[in-house]
Amino acid sequence: GAGVSQSPSNKVTEKGKDVELRCDPISGHTALYWYRQSLGQGLEFLIYFQGNSAPDKSGLPSDRFSAERTGGSVSTLTIQRTQQEDSAVYLCASSLEWREETQYFGPGTRLLVL
Amino acid sequence: GENVEQHPSTLSVQEGDSAVIKCTYSDSASNYFPWYKQELGKGPQLIIDIRSNVGEKKDQRIAVTLNKTAKHFSLHITETQPEDSAVYFCAPNNAGNMLTFGGGTRLMVKP
Repeated sequence: GAGVSQSPSNKVTEKGKDVELRCDPISGHTALYWYRQSLGQGLEFLIYFQGNSAPDKSGLPSDRFSAERTGGSVSTLTIQRTQQEDSAVYLCASSLEWREETQYFGPGTRLLVL
Repeated sequence: GENVEQHPSTLSVQEGDSAVIKCTYSDSASNYFPWYKQELGKGPQLIIDIRSNVGEKKDQRIAVTLNKTAKHFSLHITETQPEDSAVYFCAPNNAGNMLTFGGGTRLMVKP
């Protein structure tokens, strides 16, 4: 079946602009996660959704970052007033249920802020 | 939170040799220990995992060993092939709601 998909695959934007990143989880997966991976670095947890709710937003780097999930499926990660340090690969993952350990990752969105 | 370290950060082996990557963690409540492989331009993919009630698990050329007392677990790849070249991440956790990743190990298999 289809895996986790993300769009766009690449995004180049100018400093100060807003961007929206989209994640389509595997059908039927109730848990969804966002991570950030800076060049050559490990993965940094940002936020997760259990259904449509996000119990823990403490991983978001600043108040310029927000995420939502509607209908228990698609999620969008929005970065307002982008800064150069926001440049990274943003990865989305989903799992069958919250507390289901195996997470399935999408290919990521490569964001470059000029 | 969980403090996770991987060693080595880079590893170069000759094709056919074995490779071992070690992951140490701090949270004694961790009970799930996966390894992910990330190829260039792709997201991480689970390759093997182990739970706290098991000491070793093997899947063809890949194995994971766990030492809960010492709080570390290792990834073993035997008979390495060029397609094993990638970045490998460990991600021990105890709740399944998020993963704390190690810093990654870049494995290069030279033909």
